[in-house]
Amino acid sequence: DGGITQSPKYLFRKEGQNVTLSCEQNLNHDAMYWYRQDPGQGLRLIYYSQIVNDFQKGDIAEGYSVSREKKESFPLTVTSAQKNPTAFYLCASSIDQGDQPQHFGDGTRLSIL
Amino acid sequence: EDQVTQSPEALRLQEGESSSLNCSYTVSGLRGLFWYRQDPGKGPEFLFTLYSAGEEKEKERLKATLTKKESFLHITAPKPEDSATYLCAVTFLDDKIIFGKGTRLHILP
Repeated sequence: DGGITQSPKYLFRKEGQNVTLSCEQNLNHDAMYWYRQDPGQGLRLIYYSQIVNDFQKGDIAEGYSVSREKKESFPLTVTSAQKNPTAFYLCASSIDQGDQPQHFGDGTRLSIL
Repeated sequence: EDQVTQSPEALRLQEGESSSLNCSYTVSGLRGLFWYRQDPGKGPEFLFTLYSAGEEKEKERLKATLTKKESFLHITAPKPEDSATYLCAVTFLDDKIIFGKGTRLHILP
């Protein structure tokens, strides 16, 4: 079955460390997204990508970076500049960027050691 | 300021007790309204898309409706497996999307 695979499911970051969250999709979707989910808040958009080698900042991009070298893959790096990285991170995709996110992965929970 | 507000924050129902969840929005240039279901520790699962006032969509025990300022997710004769957090999201003419904070629904057997 087609879907989105996020890994790892749980991740711990030390102070000053960069960590990378993986997101792979086999849906042949053009658009991919990264969202952050915090308790009591709605999903907030970090970055999105409409096509390979192109991506745009979302509402809370500071302290994060992404790449889109392949259609199937959209990894997110949480840098040491992100001072409050503890959250549930969700990757999503849609057929194109004009659509709402149609498929979500099962998330990565990032915590600080 | 564009906003999406879901109410109530949490709802406990007995099995078989029908009710409705609300999603109100103050946006200009609405393109669409979307409902998702999210189970604990999982990603959201897409349920419905609504585009214009008066539109309705149904899936099993769920029915979503849309007016000019709000949407309702009606749950008829719910079962314990309907327990989840239900998220509402709205997109605008510039493709921006805003998610509500969700309603946590718990169905007691």
